[in-house]
Amino acid sequence: GAGVSQSPSNKVTEKGKDVELRCDPISGHTALYWYRQSLGQGLEFLIYFQGNSAPDKSGLPSDRFSAERTGGSVSTLTIQRTQQEDSAVYLCASSLSPRTGELFFGEGSRLTVL
Amino acid sequence: QQQVKQSPQSLIVQKGGIPIINCAYENTAFDYFPWYQQFPGKGPALLIAIRPDVSEKKEGRFTISFNKSAKQFSLHIMDSQPGDSATYFCAASGREYNQGGKLIFGQGTELSVKP
Repeated sequence: GAGVSQSPSNKVTEKGKDVELRCDPISGHTALYWYRQSLGQGLEFLIYFQGNSAPDKSGLPSDRFSAERTGGSVSTLTIQRTQQEDSAVYLCASSLSPRTGELFFGEGSRLTVL
Repeated sequence: QQQVKQSPQSLIVQKGGIPIINCAYENTAFDYFPWYQQFPGKGPALLIAIRPDVSEKKEGRFTISFNKSAKQFSLHIMDSQPGDSATYFCAASGREYNQGGKLIFGQGTELSVKP
């Protein structure tokens, strides 16, 4: 498909385990974003990649969270030593460029930490 | 200064009614104000957006009203339909503030349109 692809769509893990969430953006989109959506809450910005620039990590809630984007395309969000409060839907979005404004979101990865 | 405050949290209207969702911001460097629509199990999708050089923008049944001096903007849905039932998010970003395309989202409004 031509949209943003995220995997896994659902992940259940035990407290203390590490998880990796993957995002495959729309081809040609230079900007990639990760957001977190908790039940009944808004969209919380986590991290932003733009081309070869240093990522904007200002939204990462703790040093247990990290993300990388390889080759300017696929991105992986890693959560180490997961806690129950990490349970949420993790949404990835991409855009053609920051100047166009429109973000295209994937369907998200629902993480449940038991 | 980075917050966008959205209200109400939930809204129920009858078919044909005109739901109104309001947002307020503090950061005067914001210069792009989109609204996103999200259906259950799906990611948000852009609905309509406005820049501060205009006070109103219409696309079909959806209208954004923008008040720059009050730092407020709102979404109106004309002749609302049950298919409009979704969660709506306002957002803001500021290219000139070196934020790139990073959007700051409001808390969301869950809209239910009754038949």
